[in-house]
Amino acid sequence: GAGVSQSPSNKVTEKGKDVELRCDPISGHTALYWYRQSLGQGLEFLIYFQGNSAPDKSGLPSDRFSAERTGGSVSTLTIQRTQQEDSAVYLCASSQDHSYNEQFFGPGTRLTVL
Amino acid sequence: AQKITQTQPGMFVQEKEAVTLDCTYDTSDPSYGLFWYKQPSSGEMIFLIYQGSYDQQNATEGRYSLNFQKARKSANLVISASQLGDSAMYFCAMREANTGNQFYFGTGTSLTVIP
Repeated sequence: GAGVSQSPSNKVTEKGKDVELRCDPISGHTALYWYRQSLGQGLEFLIYFQGNSAPDKSGLPSDRFSAERTGGSVSTLTIQRTQQEDSAVYLCASSQDHSYNEQFFGPGTRLTVL
Repeated sequence: AQKITQTQPGMFVQEKEAVTLDCTYDTSDPSYGLFWYKQPSSGEMIFLIYQGSYDQQNATEGRYSLNFQKARKSANLVISASQLGDSAMYFCAMREANTGNQFYFGTGTSLTVIP
């Protein structure tokens, strides 16, 4: 069965440009998480979606970051007016529901802002 | 204060030996979960083991076991009979019931298994 997929795998952009990162969770998984992993660091929580509930956006670092999840499946993380400090690996994870402990992670998108 | 602290940036272990990766956590929530993940050089995060705060016994999954010492707020990962494929980054994480959506991750420990 297919796991969590993310695209693109790598993205290089110029400072000030907008980028969109995509996550396809495992079919049937209602919970979806976005994380950011800077070089040599642990994972930083960004945003969480659970079913049709309002997302938990408490981890988004600034208003340049936004995310949506259409139809309870695919999610898009958008970074507007990118800055060099946005360079990181962005990881998406899904799980069967909020109470289910195991998260399945995608391979990540490596974002480089020049 | 850091929610999760991993004090070993890098560890080395001889193949077939056991190794312990340290993790301490900080929470005032009586209900929480502790997790360990493995991240090989390929970059994917792989779930290894879970321990609930109310679990009476230490969690075990194959060669992985979690040494849960609640009073000391530590959740060390023990890998027995190390294999070359165990070389990777290992992250400890916690989720609290009160802030149930967020997973807090440590900075990780890089494990190298020496043949």
